[in-house]
Amino acid sequence: GQQVQQSPASLVLQEGENAELQCNFSTSLNSMQWFYQRPGGSLVSLFYNPSGTKHSGRLTSTTVIKERRSSLHISSSQTTDSGTYLCALEPGSNYNVLYFGSGTKLTVEP
Amino acid sequence: GPKVLQIPSHQIIDMGQMVTLNCDPVSNHLYFYWYKQILGQQMEFLVNFYNGKVMEKSKLFKDQFSVERPDGSYFTLKIQPTALEDSAVYFCASSLLTNYEQYFGPGTRLTVL
Repeated sequence: GQQVQQSPASLVLQEGENAELQCNFSTSLNSMQWFYQRPGGSLVSLFYNPSGTKHSGRLTSTTVIKERRSSLHISSSQTTDSGTYLCALEPGSNYNVLYFGSGTKLTVEP
Repeated sequence: GPKVLQIPSHQIIDMGQMVTLNCDPVSNHLYFYWYKQILGQQMEFLVNFYNGKVMEKSKLFKDQFSVERPDGSYFTLKIQPTALEDSAVYFCASSLLTNYEQYFGPGTRLTVL
């Protein structure tokens, strides 16, 4: 079955607004990775986050194992943030496979 | 940060032919992976590889697929023969050890005609 559920599927913001993207998982977690997928398809690694909160510029990732969720927060969004954001779960029972969410397509309008 | 390279970036091939996708993993990494993403769909795990052996493969890793890393050179995914449903972007990844971050290459877009 589906190991990781990502929401929302799509999100439209005005520039300057904040975004909260979620991934919920049904299995034990070893780690969660967050990626930005460019329109051309290549991946940009954003976070490798087993637990807790990590920051990188305007991005914040929070993984709460007990609640089986991981989030990506984008503050003060910019048009260049537009694209698809993917989360990928590494299960606690199998370190060598990543299960990807279906992605959030973010559009930031000027 | 560490970079994974993939060659070629695009490949167009006729159905039934053989294709080899090449991956140059991060130099000191020991674990290697292939993932497949059909256009507009979810990224899915194909196979992982360690110490010269396939450790785990998904049901997407058909009998026509094979992987190897001869003498520490490229980590390759070979499809022989190719089918129309093999058209996708194939991403290679590597990690230092198990339970470590996976680093992804830029992908190879394979089109089977």
